[in-house]
Amino acid sequence: EAGVAQSPRYKIIEKRQSVAFWCNPISGHATLYWYQQILGQGPKLLIQFQNNGVVDDSQLPKDRFSAERLKGVDSTLKIQPAKLEDSAVYLCASSSDRGKTQYFGPGTRLLVL
Amino acid sequence: AQRVTQPEKLLSVFKGAPVELKCNYSYSGSPELFWYVQYSRQRLQLLLRHISRESIKGFTADLNKGETSFHLKKPFAQEEDSAMYYCALSGPSGTYKYIFGTGTRLKVLA
Repeated sequence: EAGVAQSPRYKIIEKRQSVAFWCNPISGHATLYWYQQILGQGPKLLIQFQNNGVVDDSQLPKDRFSAERLKGVDSTLKIQPAKLEDSAVYLCASSSDRGKTQYFGPGTRLLVL
Repeated sequence: AQRVTQPEKLLSVFKGAPVELKCNYSYSGSPELFWYVQYSRQRLQLLLRHISRESIKGFTADLNKGETSFHLKKPFAQEEDSAMYYCALSGPSGTYKYIFGTGTRLKVLA
């Protein structure tokens, strides 16, 4: 089966600019996760969707980050405006249901200058 | 507070030596514990989960609720085991909130 797809793979922007990341989960997977992984740290959950509803967004900086999952399939994560501390790898993962094995995408490496 | 602690950033062992990657957790309840692995230039992937009680690539991990630990072990390390290893926990039914540790880089020396 095709894995989780993410684009772009790399992005360089200047602070205060906007950026968007896209994720296509494994077909049929109801649960989708976005993580932020800062260099030297483990992945930190930003938001978790169950189909197209938000299950947990407690660690999402809602003043600048937003995410949506239209029709319960693809998802986009947006940062507006970006700050230097947003430089990280953004990982998307999906699972067939909550609590099941997560399958990760390759990640998007963001550098904010 | 819910937390996963991996005390070692880097662990170097010689090929054929035993390996133990430490993981301790703090959680008020009964979480599910996982080990994820990331090989060089590959995606993060599940290695094993405690409820499966299986051995994957020779690795095992036992959940010790008394010590709140979930250490990953392998009796004889192989060079291909060199990778980044992350311990993670998931909250109980209804939340499934994932928390990852900071990871341990395992280097197996020839």
